[in-house]
Amino acid sequence: DIQMTQSPSILSASVGDRVSITCRASQSISSWLAWYQQKPGKAPKLLIYKASTLQDGVPSRFSGSGSGTEFTLTVSSLQPDDFATYYCQHYNTFSQTFGQGTKVEIK
Amino acid sequence: QVQLVQSGAEVKKPGASVKVSCKASDYSFPSFGINWVRQAPGQGLEWMGWISAYNGDTSSAQNLQGRVTMTTDTSTSTAYMELRSLRSDDTAVYYCARGAAVAASPRSFDYWGQGTLVTVSS
Repeated sequence: DIQMTQSPSILSASVGDRVSITCRASQSISSWLAWYQQKPGKAPKLLIYKASTLQDGVPSRFSGSGSGTEFTLTVSSLQPDDFATYYCQHYNTFSQTFGQGTKVEIK
Repeated sequence: QVQLVQSGAEVKKPGASVKVSCKASDYSFPSFGINWVRQAPGQGLEWMGWISAYNGDTSSAQNLQGRVTMTTDTSTSTAYMELRSLRSDDTAVYYCARGAAVAASPRSFDYWGQGTLVTVSS
């Protein structure tokens, strides 16, 4: 099975900061990579799919990059609404794997 | 707008079964599939399985094979997930999420249900 490893596990940042989260796959997954945001008590929300395509309605301060085994989610200017936990996901119909999550907290 | 509405919270004893429903609205149900994802308290997301509402194909996580059954009822646009032989570590919030219609076309999960808390306790 393909393993997905996110770093860091916790990220402390301030409003206005540029932040990046990394996701590494144990083998090449091409661009079959999505990013989700989850707030406490809520379902995850799709932010980016196919590694770099922004989901409709998601603010343009979110961006994704990478292919193969290394991927990055970047928030260009952190807003108060962005403090949440972020998950990467390798999606393939027969095997879906989430990273362990990165909590973005207020510094 | 697209909605997935799940059934309510359940409390079950170890060894019992639970069946969670997920009713879809405002999209063509047979044109997509439904994934099931669970989240234990304070933990991350775990994919459980997928069912195509188009042709009934299924796939499930290896650690759940034999205990999980996914079905759909296209007449009511509803997907179901049944988990058997429940253990205390099955306590989690269970989510359904819209996904691929066919295995050959992977798709991320663009719409999610609100979640169903299943508590397994003696």
